[in-house]
Amino acid sequence: DADVTQTPRNRITKTGKRIMLECSQTKGHDRMYWYRQDPGLGLQLIYYSFDVKDINKGEISDGYSVSRQAQAKFSLSLESAIPNQTALYFCATSDPRSRTREQFFGPGTRLTVL
Amino acid sequence: SQQGEEDPQALSIQEGENATMNCSYKTSINNLQWYRQNSGRGLVHLILIRSNEREKHSGRLRVTLDTSKKSSSLLITASRAADTASYFCATDDSGGSNYKLTFGKGTLLTVNP
Repeated sequence: DADVTQTPRNRITKTGKRIMLECSQTKGHDRMYWYRQDPGLGLQLIYYSFDVKDINKGEISDGYSVSRQAQAKFSLSLESAIPNQTALYFCATSDPRSRTREQFFGPGTRLTVL
Repeated sequence: SQQGEEDPQALSIQEGENATMNCSYKTSINNLQWYRQNSGRGLVHLILIRSNEREKHSGRLRVTLDTSKKSSSLLITASRAADTASYFCATDDSGGSNYKLTFGKGTLLTVNP
C-alpha cells in the first residue's frame, strides 16, 4: 500500500464550486504539505502543517484553505474554484528527525476547473 | 518566488551518455536536495547535500555544491532510457527547526534508446 495517498486522483469541476482534496499518510510523520504544479513549472507551496495545531501559509495560499483533521490527514479546500486553479496538486510528508530530510509525495490530484 | 533555477530546461541525450543538470539559488541554505518526477507522478527524493559538503555520490548519481557560487549540479552517469524524467532541485533555507523546501522549475531529461 502507498504511504501517502490522495483522493480523488482526477477531478473536473466548474467555476464557483467548492471542492476538497484529501491526503492521508501511514508514515507517522508530523509534517504535511500541499503543493501545486503548473505545466513546465516547479512546485509552489500552498500550505504546510508541522502538527495538528500548527498550520502555516505558503507562497500561494490565496483562494485555498486547509484542515488538519489528525496527524494522518490533511485536506485542501478550494472555496470557490476558478479556472487558473487548474493544476496538479501534491501532498507531501516529512519527518523532522530524518537524517535525509526528504519529503515523501503522494501520486497527485489532477484538477480541472472549467 | 522560487529559490532554485535549473539549467537547462530540457536535455536530450543518447543512452549511455552522461547527463548534467545545474541548479542556481539565491539565498543561504541548510541543504539542497534533488528530486525526480516521472511524467505526471509524485516526486521522489534522490539525494541530499548539506551546506558544508562539496560532493556526494549515490550509485550513478553525483551531486556537487558550491555555496560561494550558490549553485549545484547533478550528474547522472551512463544514462538509461528509464532515467527519462524531470529533475528538480529543492533548497532548504528555512533554518532552525522549521523545515520546508523551495523547488525550482526542473530540467526535463529525455534519454533516447
